[in-house]
Amino acid sequence: EAQVTQNPRYLITVTGKKLTVTCSQNMNHEYMSWYRQDPGLGLRQIYYSMNVEVTDKGDVPEGYKVSRKEKRNFPLILESPSPNQTSLYFCASSLDENTEAFFGQGTRLTVV
Amino acid sequence: EDQVTQSPEALRLQEGESSSLNCSYTVSGLRGLFWYRQDPGKGPEFLFTLYSAGEEKEKERLKATLTKKESFLHITAPKPEDSATYLCAVQGNTNAGKSTFGDGTTLTVKP
Repeated sequence: EAQVTQNPRYLITVTGKKLTVTCSQNMNHEYMSWYRQDPGLGLRQIYYSMNVEVTDKGDVPEGYKVSRKEKRNFPLILESPSPNQTSLYFCASSLDENTEAFFGQGTRLTVV
Repeated sequence: EDQVTQSPEALRLQEGESSSLNCSYTVSGLRGLFWYRQDPGKGPEFLFTLYSAGEEKEKERLKATLTKKESFLHITAPKPEDSATYLCAVQGNTNAGKSTFGDGTTLTVKP
């Protein structure tokens, strides 16, 4: 089954404790992206990757890091999480940047 | 900077009452406009991509149209299962790969 898998689905952590949210896709897609979604708002893009080893900033990259060492994986790293990073996070992938995106189930992160 | 504004924020319809959702956009060279449906607590689900003004696409009770400044998502004779948040997004030429989403329209269809 074609899918984008994020882990964990839910995470509660403390301020400053480094964490990684994993994202994996099994569709051989070139393009992957991370978004955050806050109540009443649409999706805001954090980082995206057009291909392996190619990443670029979205609209809200501060406090986040990404890497794209393999085509299928695109982890999101929060090196020192803060409460304002409490949010619902989505990973997405697509054949290229201008085709339909497939989204993961979401990761609900709470930083206390 | 690319911008997307969706209206209305919320829309309540009776079952069978047709209406339209609006997505106004500002982008430097439109590469694609996307419509997604999102159910509570789930990831967005793709509906349509439109690439050029005048283009139209249909799927069941939904029809998306595109002009140079806005897109409409027309919902004909909606059913309660059409209740969801509808998101619009654009990709522009300035930063290939960068997606800008609107805040969405939350549609509620009452039986």
